[in-house]
Amino acid sequence: EPEVTQTPSHQVTQMGQEVILRCVPISNHLYFYWYRQILGQKVEFLVSFYNNEISEKSEIFDDQFSVERPDGSNFTLKIRSTKLEDSAMYFCASIFGVGLNTEAFFGQGTRLTVV
Amino acid sequence: SQQGEEDPQALSIQEGENATMNCSYKTSINNLQWYRQNSGRGLVHLILIRSNEREKHSGRLRVTLDTSKKSSSLLITASRAADTASYFCATDRSNFGNEKLTFGTGTRLTIIP
Repeated sequence: EPEVTQTPSHQVTQMGQEVILRCVPISNHLYFYWYRQILGQKVEFLVSFYNNEISEKSEIFDDQFSVERPDGSNFTLKIRSTKLEDSAMYFCASIFGVGLNTEAFFGQGTRLTVV
Repeated sequence: SQQGEEDPQALSIQEGENATMNCSYKTSINNLQWYRQNSGRGLVHLILIRSNEREKHSGRLRVTLDTSKKSSSLLITASRAADTASYFCATDRSNFGNEKLTFGTGTRLTIIP
C-alpha cells in the first residue's frame, strides 16, 4: 500500500542551526501538509501546499519556517534557526483531494530535538 | 474548549471488551477522520466519515456521526492488546475536504490482557 515516508526519523540539532525535514508524499496526491506535535500535546497544523504554493499557514508558521517541493516527489520543511521550543514530532501528510478521496495519510514523523 | 475534544482522556478495559471513545467539535464540518497513534509513532488513518453520513464500519471499528450534536464516536469491538494506543479525531471544515485538519486532544486507550 502506498505510504508517506519521512526522513530522518530522529534529528538532534543545536539551537540556532538550520534543519531540513524531508517527506515523500504518496505519488498521485495533490495536497501536502506539515503538522507538528509537541510531546504530550495535540497535533497542530503548520502549513498546507497545493499547486506549488502555500495555500494556508498557521500562526506557528512564522518567517523561520519555509516549505518547498523541489522536484516531483519531495516535500521539505526548513526551519532556519531552530529554537528549543521547536522540539516536537513533525508529521507530513498528503491527500489526493479530488472527489471523494480526501483521506489524509500521514508519515511516521520526524522527531526533532533542539538542544 | 477547542474544536475536537475527545473523551474520555484515558480508558482502560479488559481484552475482549468493547471500547467507545467520543469526540465533540464546534463548527460545521466536511468530514471527520479518526487516527491511531502508538506511543511516539506516526498517525495511522482509521476511518473517514462525511458530514452526510451517520455511521460507518471498517472491520472491528464502528464510527457514528451526529452533526446536530456535533459529535462522533469510535467503537472498537472485541478489543485486543494491540489496540493499545492513543486515538484522535480530526475535522476538516472546508467545502471540498482538502484543507487542514483540526485535531482533538486524544483518548489514551489501554487494553489489559
